[in-house]
Amino acid sequence: GQSLEQPSEVTAVEGAIVQINCTYQTSGFYGLSWYQQHDGGAPTFLSYNALDGLEETGRFSSFLSRSDSYGYLLLQELQMKDSASYFCAVLDYKLSFGAGTTVTVRA
Amino acid sequence: GAVVSQHPSWVICKSGTSVKIECRSLDFQATTMFWYRQFPKQSLMLMATSNEGSKATYEQGVEKDKFLINHASLTLSTLTVTSAHPEDSSFYICSARKGASLESLHFGNGTRLTVT
Repeated sequence: GQSLEQPSEVTAVEGAIVQINCTYQTSGFYGLSWYQQHDGGAPTFLSYNALDGLEETGRFSSFLSRSDSYGYLLLQELQMKDSASYFCAVLDYKLSFGAGTTVTVRA
Repeated sequence: GAVVSQHPSWVICKSGTSVKIECRSLDFQATTMFWYRQFPKQSLMLMATSNEGSKATYEQGVEKDKFLINHASLTLSTLTVTSAHPEDSSFYICSARKGASLESLHFGNGTRLTVT
């Protein structure tokens, strides 16, 4: 089976940087992805790492270390609209999600 | 705009009744769609994989006779919650893949089911 661990919540101020860590245990592994979900809405794709290293997409970056079964999502220059839940998800034969990290951005 | 449409967005039903939720791919054909359930403040849990023209594949612990899935066309999958009970109250989300990459996996806006 799969298990993923990520912090339950993080609070930061506008303009700050937040790092959300994700550790995983899985029998098969193709890659680690990240999704954003606003309250009551659909999850939206943020990034996907199949190989070790850092992927940068605008203010958001994602990192993967396969040997450590670890990844993180980095949110930079935080804005109020970034307040949402962020899920890491492992892809093997299916997409398995972590429990999510609620990010609250304060003025 | 949305590429996966889910209907209804919310529904309230009485205990013992059945509820049907539709998931449509809007501008592409999806041979496979996925149904998830999400309880408040919790993760999305995959319930089943819906395959066009064949039986759905259910995850362990999901009752296939209670959660009926039909994928009758390349653009429509339906989930029917039969004999609903209050513990079935949850947020149900479907997804479909538009292309080969993970980035092409799109989610519907979800259906909030409340069973009274």
